[in-house]
Amino acid sequence: GQNIDQPTEMTATEGAIVQINCTYQTSGFNGLFWYQQHAGEAPTFLSYNVLDGLEEKGRFSSFLSRSKGYSYLLLKELQMKDSASYLCAVRDEYNFNKFYFGSGTKLNVKP
Amino acid sequence: DGGITQSPKYLFRKEGQNVTLSCEQNLNHDAMYWYRQDPGQGLRLIYYSQIVNDFQKGDIAEGYSVSREKKESFPLTVTSAQKNPTAFYLCASRSTSGTGVAGELFFGEGSRLTVL
Repeated sequence: GQNIDQPTEMTATEGAIVQINCTYQTSGFNGLFWYQQHAGEAPTFLSYNVLDGLEEKGRFSSFLSRSKGYSYLLLKELQMKDSASYLCAVRDEYNFNKFYFGSGTKLNVKP
Repeated sequence: DGGITQSPKYLFRKEGQNVTLSCEQNLNHDAMYWYRQDPGQGLRLIYYSQIVNDFQKGDIAEGYSVSREKKESFPLTVTSAQKNPTAFYLCASRSTSGTGVAGELFFGEGSRLTVL
């Protein structure tokens, strides 16, 4: 089976840095994706990792270690608008149409 | 602007009724998907379609049906056979031609179905 684990909820302060972890145990792997989802809205794509290492996009960075089955999303200079759920998803190695999603981490940013 | 449009945004259904959720995209994507989102759970795949007139069951297809008569459209019917249909339904599409950065999913705004 496929197992994607994320913390359920986190709280951080405006201006701070927060790291959201994702661990996965899947039968195959072809990339890990992070999405942001505000309550009641569509998830939007944030980042993608397929090779080990860090990918940086502005205030957001994502890291992958395939040997450890581990990724994290790093958010810097937190803003109130960053309050949202963050979804981790692993794409199936053999069927690019299959993505296995974690249950999401709800991030609360407080002033 | 290109995107995915889902309708209706909110829908109420009585038990025993079938309902159809609309999904239209103008991104020229070949692949389209339906997911179900429940509190505390990850998105679960209901059906997907890689090409017109073809679709495949996902992990939780029972009680649902789809059609793909046009590239732009992928409607989902929630039938009376679905035992627990109250949920948030998300439609998505994906480029399969390598034009996206990573082949990521693009999502619609969602349809919230409540069974009374």
